[in-house]
Amino acid sequence: TQLLEQSPQFLSIQEGENLTVYCNSSSVFSSLQWYRQEPGEGPVLLVTVVTGGEVKKLKRLTFQFGDARKDSSLHITAAQPGDTGLYLCAGISGGGADGLTFGKGTHLIIQP
Amino acid sequence: DTGVSQDPRHKITKRGQNVTFRCDPISEHNRLYWYRQTLGQGPEFLTYFQNEAQLEKSRLLSDRFSAERPKGSFSTLEIQRTEQGDSAMYLCASSQERWTEAFFGQGTRLTVV
Repeated sequence: TQLLEQSPQFLSIQEGENLTVYCNSSSVFSSLQWYRQEPGEGPVLLVTVVTGGEVKKLKRLTFQFGDARKDSSLHITAAQPGDTGLYLCAGISGGGADGLTFGKGTHLIIQP
Repeated sequence: DTGVSQDPRHKITKRGQNVTFRCDPISEHNRLYWYRQTLGQGPEFLTYFQNEAQLEKSRLLSDRFSAERPKGSFSTLEIQRTEQGDSAMYLCASSQERWTEAFFGQGTRLTVV
């Protein structure tokens, strides 16, 4: 069973602060995706990273895939209340099960 | 096409009843996935279809659960003899190819009382 560990599990910070959340595994993934989910809604895809060491930016969000393709991080600069939500990472293995393996997520609250 | 749609959004049922959920994927997507998500957890994979063929089922999918995608378009997920432990958000996702870009519906929230 491939597990994705996300940390921290909960994070509450003030508007304007920077933060980083992590997604770690002992398994290698062919690609990794980050989603954001609001209460009562389905996850919304933010980014897919494929290449080890890859860095992708989405406005104030920076995503990095580890060199060994076992871990990833999401950095948010100058967080805003609209960034509040559950951030999920999900990995696809190179073989075997075709379903995405999800972490439990990081619950992020940005206080005004 | 406005994305993946799921129906109903909410379902309350009594224990022991059968329920059926529907998912309409994005029209050109040939892969369709079902996930279950309980409070505070990430989504757990249940099953997926490549067109009309059901290619994989998780151990989570007990014999009370059945999924179909008869014409390779919409899919249904049926739960027979519902139990309180079945209470969860049931999510459907679709993609054009093998998890290049997967898009989720808004989910069906099931409450078994």
